[in-house]
Amino acid sequence: GENVEQHPSTLSVQEGDSAVIKCTYSDSASNYFPWYKQELGKRPQLIIDIRSNVGEKKDQRIAVTLNKTAKHFSLHITETQPEDSAVYFCAPHNAGNMLTFGGGTRLMVKP
Amino acid sequence: DTAVSQTPKYLVTQMGNDKSIKCEQNLGHDTMYWYKQDSKKFLKIMFSYNNKELIINETVPNRFSPKSPDKAHLNLHINSLELGDSAVYFCASSLDVNEQFFGPGTRLTVL
Repeated sequence: GENVEQHPSTLSVQEGDSAVIKCTYSDSASNYFPWYKQELGKRPQLIIDIRSNVGEKKDQRIAVTLNKTAKHFSLHITETQPEDSAVYFCAPHNAGNMLTFGGGTRLMVKP
Repeated sequence: DTAVSQTPKYLVTQMGNDKSIKCEQNLGHDTMYWYKQDSKKFLKIMFSYNNKELIINETVPNRFSPKSPDKAHLNLHINSLELGDSAVYFCASSLDVNEQFFGPGTRLTVL
């Protein structure tokens, strides 16, 4: 199976600062790269995704960058707010229907 | 309208019992999944199923079995429950290699 690692496992930032979470994967056939956010006691929900033919994608304060050569992609959150506090998961996905989630990053935004 | 629903929300049972968790999606998706999330928040895929094939994560004990009566349902049966099965179980669905839509989760506690 695919090896997926997320770093850091916990991240504490001050409100208004930026946060970056990195995901590395092993399967060069991966072609879909989503990030999910899971708030406490809730289900994971997609916040942004990118496909292998694109290097960067932005949606307001959130962006994802992809480096297929190095096999990693990153989640960038700017102007963090307390409601950004959650656990974030990457889940690189290939054409098959078995995917692997990263170990999660707990982001804490201090007001 | 609820996109992906699961029942029950909470399940408390004794070791050795057999139990089932039901999942339904009304999104018209072709693939459904079961995930286990342990106390450390690791999300592990257990099964992936579409109308063509069932893919089983090889680490899942054969006490766990998915049953799909039709495209909109994927139920999870667990035999001879063990203490280590205590976790939150999420059902999800997707249309091919795309965003996963998760159900609200079922918190299983084995006593």
